[in-house]
Amino acid sequence: QTVVTQEPSLTVSPGGTVTLTCASSTGAVTSGYYPNWFQQKFGQAPRALIYSTSNKHSWTPARFSGSLLGGKAALTLSGVQPEDEAEYYCLLYYGGAWVFGGGTKLTVL
Amino acid sequence: EVQLVESGGGLVQPGGSLKLSCAASGFTFSGSAMHWVRQASGRGLEWVGRIRSKANSYATAYAASVKGRFTISRDDSENTAYLQMNSLKAEDTAVYFCTRSDITFDYWGQGTLVTVSS
Repeated sequence: QTVVTQEPSLTVSPGGTVTLTCASSTGAVTSGYYPNWFQQKFGQAPRALIYSTSNKHSWTPARFSGSLLGGKAALTLSGVQPEDEAEYYCLLYYGGAWVFGGGTKLTVL
Repeated sequence: EVQLVESGGGLVQPGGSLKLSCAASGFTFSGSAMHWVRQASGRGLEWVGRIRSKANSYATAYAASVKGRFTISRDDSENTAYLQMNSLKAEDTAVYFCTRSDITFDYWGQGTLVTVSS
């Protein structure tokens, strides 16, 4: 069974920079996994942030960026704002099926 | 404005069936793949499955946890996607979301709650 692993929790100070990662149990994550990133706040539907590794949606704030880093997909937040406190999920493609990571709870403190 | 509205959730007994709907508007539904994603209370997101467009032969794919029990279909004339859930188990209890597209997952519905309990 394929497992996608994210940091369970991270803490960042307002104005700081933080990188969330997304690893695959099958090996290095490449662009062929079409990494997606989502933000979810309590009681809300997920909100799409990044697709196909690094592409932003029209509503994605400029401080969010996606990349591949050390064999993982990565989401970097630069100049973190208090409203960025949320759960973040990555999603990877496995040739027909998609698998979500377990999520990273980001605390802005 | 793109809108996805799920409906059909409710309380069902273990072993029972339920059919969810996802009504779409504001985009060319017939050209879009549609996915279902679920989330148990306090847990993470789980991809359930997807159906592609007519141009892609309405191809379906499912997560291992639901394969053989759940079926995704669509009616392009009604701009609606469906999730037929059979042989339901307690662990299928979750909020079920629909979302569009094969790569971008850009728009999501608000979800509908399915509770499997006796």
